[in-house]
Amino acid sequence: AQSVTQLDSHVSVSEGTPVLLRCNYSSSYSPSLFWYVQHPNKGLQLLLKYTSAATLVKGINGFEAEFKKSETSFHLTKPSAHMSDAAEYFCVVSDNDMRFGAGTRLTVKP
Amino acid sequence: DGGITQSPKYLFRKEGQNVTLSCEQNLNHDAMYWYRQDPGQGLRLIYYSQIVNDFQKGDIAEGYSVSREKKESFPLTVTSAQKNPTAFYLCASTMGRQGGLSTDTQYFGPGTRLTVL
Repeated sequence: AQSVTQLDSHVSVSEGTPVLLRCNYSSSYSPSLFWYVQHPNKGLQLLLKYTSAATLVKGINGFEAEFKKSETSFHLTKPSAHMSDAAEYFCVVSDNDMRFGAGTRLTVKP
Repeated sequence: DGGITQSPKYLFRKEGQNVTLSCEQNLNHDAMYWYRQDPGQGLRLIYYSQIVNDFQKGDIAEGYSVSREKKESFPLTVTSAQKNPTAFYLCASTMGRQGGLSTDTQYFGPGTRLTVL
């Protein structure tokens, strides 16, 4: 069975500094991997997804993630944080089932 | 505009009452899902449906029921048997059916916050 672990429940950065949200996964298959973002009291929105094409995936709002099979990781990065990036981020692994990580809350300080 | 709508946005229920949460999609998607979200626990799958008149239990189906009489609608009933129903409920859909089309993006509704008084 697959699983996904988001290594930080809360990340705090200053505006203009880099963002790193970490995600490790396990899967018996070749999974698809997703990052979703959720703003308070809203539904989830897709940021990006990996589907066995390029290992470096670019998403919306300047985010990108790199699939590293040897490390079973799919970390989300952004070079420069903006105040509007403050939200909850979910890493998702999908093969025969879809599993959500517990989420990482990103806080951006002015 | 295509999308998923959930209603109501906020719902209050007295203990012992059943309540039904609405989810409608106009994306012509085959599959629909219900998730429950609690703080610090991510999303947990309650039920999903891959086709009209068919649905399967997810990880936490006890105390919930669903129906799928139309492709665009997938209502969730929270019954009095659900011991701790206060949570944020999210409905989602995918174009294809779960399993085998694992690259599908899930499209989410805005959610319903249920509070039991």
